[in-house]
Amino acid sequence: GAVVSQHPSRVICKSGTSVKIECRSLDFQATTMFWYRQFPKQSLMLMATSNEGSKATYEQGVEKDKFLINHASLTLSTLTVTSAHPEDSSFYICSARDGAISYNEQFFGPGTRLTVL
Amino acid sequence: GNSVTQMEGPVTLSEEAFLTINCTYTATGYPSLFWYVQYPGEGLQLLLKATKADDKGSNKGFEATYRKETTSFHLEKGSVQVSDSAVYFCALGLWNTDKLIFGTGTRLQVFP
Repeated sequence: GAVVSQHPSRVICKSGTSVKIECRSLDFQATTMFWYRQFPKQSLMLMATSNEGSKATYEQGVEKDKFLINHASLTLSTLTVTSAHPEDSSFYICSARDGAISYNEQFFGPGTRLTVL
Repeated sequence: GNSVTQMEGPVTLSEEAFLTINCTYTATGYPSLFWYVQYPGEGLQLLLKATKADDKGSNKGFEATYRKETTSFHLEKGSVQVSDSAVYFCALGLWNTDKLIFGTGTRLQVFP
């Protein structure tokens, strides 16, 4: 149980285009989903927290107009990188919290590697 | 503030060696503590957790004990395998928030 999927696993796009990454909880209802960014050989940086049906809460320094997050249902959240540039190239990881289990425990997706040319 | 400090890597061991990866934390309240493992090119997987003082989390031969007196949650394994090569993240979850606070990660390399 507690499986989180991400799609796509890898994406390459041209500078100036937008990219959408999906995060799904496959066997539980995710009351809260999180989006992280990970640079090579570094820890995870929390970008935003989203609750189903409400606006995402962004961490300080994260551009909300650049990284659009939608959490339309209890099993799906999307991250759209708008007008992507090479500096947005990174490994994006989502996680989900099952409110029925431990308050803090998060289940992570396999990640999406974004390369902007 | 709330933070997690992990030993810097990489940690390089021979197969069957004993592993310790240190993790200490600073937190208000009563945090939960976690170890996550990340294999190359993949997301994070929960390795083990402990939700209160003196709890011992264990999984796949790995263990960690929640020590409130030393604010530590060190990861140990008695005999590592090449397949354990990965990056290990210590994290804490605060009682009043959904967020996890991660350490910087420790890369483990195990050679045959």
